[in-house]
Amino acid sequence: GDSVTQMEGPVTLSEEAFLTINCTYTATGYPSLFWYVQYPGEGLQLLLKATKADDKGSNKGFEATYRKETTSFHLEKGSVQVSDSAVYFCALRVIDLVGKLIFGQGTTLQVKP
Amino acid sequence: GAVVSQHPSWVICKSGTSVKIECRSLDFQATTMFWYRQFPKQSLMLMATSNEGSKATYEQGVEKDKFLINHASLTLSTLTVTSAHPEDSSFYICSARTTGTVNYGYTFGSGTRLTVV
Repeated sequence: GDSVTQMEGPVTLSEEAFLTINCTYTATGYPSLFWYVQYPGEGLQLLLKATKADDKGSNKGFEATYRKETTSFHLEKGSVQVSDSAVYFCALRVIDLVGKLIFGQGTTLQVKP
Repeated sequence: GAVVSQHPSWVICKSGTSVKIECRSLDFQATTMFWYRQFPKQSLMLMATSNEGSKATYEQGVEKDKFLINHASLTLSTLTVTSAHPEDSSFYICSARTTGTVNYGYTFGSGTRLTVV
C-alpha cells in the first residue's frame, strides 16, 4: 500500500540555519503531496502542497519540489526562525474516490535562538 | 478560509464512561470527515472515514463498536469513545474534506486531548 517515510527527528538548528527535512513516498500513480505543520497542542495546518511532478510548493519561506524520479518531496527553508519550531508531517493523498491522507511519522524541529 | 471547530479541546473521564467529540464545519459543507488518532510523538493514524448520511468506514484494527462515528449532517460529525479505558487516552483529530473537483483540500480541527483515568 501507499506509504510515506520521513527522516527521524528531532532536528535541532540555530536560528537562521538552513533546514532540510527529507520525505520519500511509495504510491500507485502520482498522488498529490503535502506538508503539514503542527504546533504544540494544536491540530494540523497545511504548509504547502504539490499536485504533479516537478511542481514546487512554497509558503512562508518553505519550499518542496515533487520529484517523481526519486519519489521525494523534501522540505527546505533557507533561514529558520524560533517560531518555526513545530512538528512537520509529510503526507500523500491516496488516489481513490475517498482521497484519504497518509502521513509520515512526523519530524520535530527545534530552533534555538 | 474553511474552518473546522472541534470540541472539547481536552477532556478527562473516568474509566468505563463514554465521551463524545464534535467536529463542526463552520463555513462549508463537509461531505467527508476523517477521524485520526495521534499517540505522543507519533504520526496520525486514520481511524475512520465518514460520509454524511451513511455509515462510517473503519480502518483495519479499529473497533467500530468502541469508536462510534456519526455524520448526520453536512456540518457536524461526532466521535464517541464508548466505555473508555486508559489505553484510549490519546489526541483525536478530525479533518474535513472540503468540496471541490480535482484539487480539493482538507481542514483539520484543533484536536481533542482525551485522558481516561
